Amino acid sequence: QVQLEQSGTEVKKPGASVKVSCKASGYSFTTFGIIWVRQAPGQGLEWLGWISPYNGNTNYAQKFRGRVSMTTDTSTSSAYMELKSLTSDDTGIYYCATCYSSFLISNWGQGTLVTVSS
Amino acid sequence: DIQMTQSPSPLSASVGDRVTITCQASQDISNSLTWYQQKPGKAPELLIYDASILDAGVPSRFRGSGSGTDFTFTISDLQPEDIATYFCQQYDSLPLTFGGGTKVELK
Repeated sequence: QVQLEQSGTEVKKPGASVKVSCKASGYSFTTFGIIWVRQAPGQGLEWLGWISPYNGNTNYAQKFRGRVSMTTDTSTSSAYMELKSLTSDDTGIYYCATCYSSFLISNWGQGTLVTVSS
Repeated sequence: DIQMTQSPSPLSASVGDRVTITCQASQDISNSLTWYQQKPGKAPELLIYDASILDAGVPSRFRGSGSGTDFTFTISDLQPEDIATYFCQQYDSLPLTFGGGTKVELK
């Protein structure tokens, strides 16, 4: 079955960058899009963007444009999300998820905790 | 961006109660709406998609309805394992947007 395995907890200082990985298994990697969503402590869910592993097309949330970069590596069935110029407001759990062409989200990774603190 | 307004939050109920959560979209999203359940420390789990279709394995006490801008999520017979936070989310257009969540607590 579809599984998404994310990288481990990150602790970063303000101004640094973080790169979270998401390794897919159980399906053909180029079949589904990959989206990234984050959740600040005790808060709701916020969409960061989408990438097509098929052709590399991306669509980023306006709020994060210029600061976020999403990539994929089809040879390893992995997706990556890099967020730069971190502030304490970026502290939270970052999730990858697969989505259909309709953008219906189908499966979620387990989440990666990113803590930004001086 | 499409705004999703979810209510109430929080919600206190007893085991066996019928629980209803509403979600309103700021514009017509047809039936492109999902409902998720999230328990502490866990990723969201899909319960309902296309506004009313239960995902595989989801108990029939969960129900979704609505289309256009107004949607309803119901748990017909609240069980202890249903204590969680529930989110609606639209996928009619990017950016994908979520409701603020409803934390269901035991009274």
